[in-house]
Amino acid sequence: QKEVEQNSGPLSVPEGAIASLNCTYSDRGSQSFFWYRQYSGKSPELIMFIYSNGDKEDGRFTAQLNKASQYVSLLIRDSQPSDSATYLCAAHFMGNKLVFGSGTILRVKS
Amino acid sequence: EAGVAQSPRYKIIEKRQSVAFWCNPISGHATLYWYQQILGQGPKLLIQFQNNGVVDDSQLPKDRFSAERLKGVDSTLKIQPAKLEDSAVYLCASARGYNEQFFGPGTRLTVL
Repeated sequence: QKEVEQNSGPLSVPEGAIASLNCTYSDRGSQSFFWYRQYSGKSPELIMFIYSNGDKEDGRFTAQLNKASQYVSLLIRDSQPSDSATYLCAAHFMGNKLVFGSGTILRVKS
Repeated sequence: EAGVAQSPRYKIIEKRQSVAFWCNPISGHATLYWYQQILGQGPKLLIQFQNNGVVDDSQLPKDRFSAERLKGVDSTLKIQPAKLEDSAVYLCASARGYNEQFFGPGTRLTVL
């Protein structure tokens, strides 16, 4: 069973703080990982993807990948109330299948 | 660049009725996906097309769900007959290859 696990939250952080979202995956063969943001009642939108071990930064967002631990994370620096949403982690499994976690609800309080 | 288009946006039907959803992917995107997203869960892949061929339909309930992608562009997803548990948002996504997927606005289906 190919699985992606996320803590459902909600994760509450104050405005300006760093939000840390975590994700684990079951298949060591997974090569690429994606973070999507989904506002209530809207469709998922791609934030970042990462293929290599280590960190990848894009503006206020940093994705971290540790293939040995089968762990992916997303850091959001200087969190804003507009960042409040559900964050979906997805892993690309063999057979070109993208499997999503159930998402973590993030609440940024002003 | 226009995004993924879907219609209708909302649909309410009685159980045992049939329903169809339409998707038009981003121009040039060969890969098209249909997902089902139940409230509080992540999207679950129903079917994946590469051009007009099916790549993966392992999670498609084939006794009631069907999908086609004629001419490798637009796609339709049909449910017949619908059950209460089919109430969900049906998302269409497209990708140029097998990586970054871009989602349409979704169709919210309510089965009464």
